[in-house]
Amino acid sequence: DTEVTQTPKHLVMGMTNKKSLKCEQHMGHRAMYWYKQKAKKPPELMFVYSYEKLSINESVPSRFSPECPNSSLLNLHLHALQPEDSALYLCASSQRAGAGADTQYFGPGTRLTVL
Amino acid sequence: GQSLEQPSEVTAVEGAIVQINCTYQTSGFYGLSWYQQHDGGAPTFLSYNGLDGLEETGRFSSFLSRSDSYGYLLLQELQMKDSASYFCAVRDKKAGNNRKLIWGLGTSLAVNP
Repeated sequence: DTEVTQTPKHLVMGMTNKKSLKCEQHMGHRAMYWYKQKAKKPPELMFVYSYEKLSINESVPSRFSPECPNSSLLNLHLHALQPEDSALYLCASSQRAGAGADTQYFGPGTRLTVL
Repeated sequence: GQSLEQPSEVTAVEGAIVQINCTYQTSGFYGLSWYQQHDGGAPTFLSYNGLDGLEETGRFSSFLSRSDSYGYLLLQELQMKDSASYFCAVRDKKAGNNRKLIWGLGTSLAVNP
């Protein structure tokens, strides 16, 4: 199984709402990632969890709160978002660090619209 | 800083060969990866060069020259389904940061009949 799943596929929320994005992988990967992607731009790294510990936070505003309940699951909690946060949110996983490609496998993404 | 440069757009016809170049300025990295992303889809891994030289995977090949700070993705026998964005990326070698990919801005490839 080389699949990363994400729910929901689409999400529309108001600026006062609280919502969560979910990501799951069953490849035994020990690193999981959240990216934000705007149209015609590369993915922009937000957070990395390595062995269920937060290892990279790219100075993301606190209205985004990641959580890694176990090695297969990754959540992104959203609160008091701004319209400019509307984007495609991608989850990815990879097997190992060290030398080599550390290929990242991406989920299909959640298309988020903030009104 | 670290940066990767790619052409923003490339157009080609079915059956042709196209080369997408990636030049980079980085202080240290593990290798050069290429990802493909169709409109509305997620990035998918295509190829990786850890060492200098050519890697071939079916119709796609990728090349790296560390001495020239340069790599490319070569797509042969182009098909309409190859129309997509192509990103080169390197993995940061800095301690504590080696899970981070540095991405190029992407090349939008349009394959015409």
